[in-house]
Amino acid sequence: AIQMTQSPSSLSASVGDRVTITCRASQGIGNDLGWYQQKTGKAPKLLIYAASSLQSGVPSRFSGSGSGTDFTLTISSLQPEDFATYYCLQDYNYPFTFGQGTKLEIK
Amino acid sequence: EVQLVESGGGLVQPGGSLRLSCEASGFSFSKYWMSWVRQAPGKGREWVANIKEDGGEKFYVDSVKGRFTISRDNAKMSVYLQMNSLRAEDTAVYYCARETKDSSLPDVWGQGTTVTVSS
Repeated sequence: AIQMTQSPSSLSASVGDRVTITCRASQGIGNDLGWYQQKTGKAPKLLIYAASSLQSGVPSRFSGSGSGTDFTLTISSLQPEDFATYYCLQDYNYPFTFGQGTKLEIK
Repeated sequence: EVQLVESGGGLVQPGGSLRLSCEASGFSFSKYWMSWVRQAPGKGREWVANIKEDGGEKFYVDSVKGRFTISRDNAKMSVYLQMNSLRAEDTAVYYCARETKDSSLPDVWGQGTTVTVSS
């Protein structure tokens, strides 16, 4: 199975900061990667699919990039509602695999 | 409103069986692949299985192959996960999810049902 290594595992930042989270795949996955946001007690929200496509309704401050093995999720200017846990998911081949998650906390 | 509601979780002894159900509403269920994903206590999410729109293709994570079976009934707008030979490591919250049309990524999730395997 493809391993997805996500970093950092936790991150402290302030409102207005630019934040980057990375996922590295153990083998090439093209651009078959998504990014999710999850808040406590809520269902995950798909932010980015196909590595860089913004899901409908997601604010443009979220962006994704990368292909092959290295991917990034960037939040250009953190808003209070962005403090949550983020994780990646590869859908290149079965079994689909998740990154371990990044908890984004208020500094 | 697009919604997925899971049911069927509970406490079961090792070696036992459970059948999880997920009822969909608010979208054309028969036009979407559906998935099950789980999260064990203190661990990350693990993709478990998915099934094609017509039920003709199914895929599983290796750890459940031969023990779990995913199925669906489009007339009832429901997807199921039959879990046999349960192990302690199957203890988790199980989520039903709809996959997007543009990728295989889940875009709609249920709130989950808890499965505890313990004697």
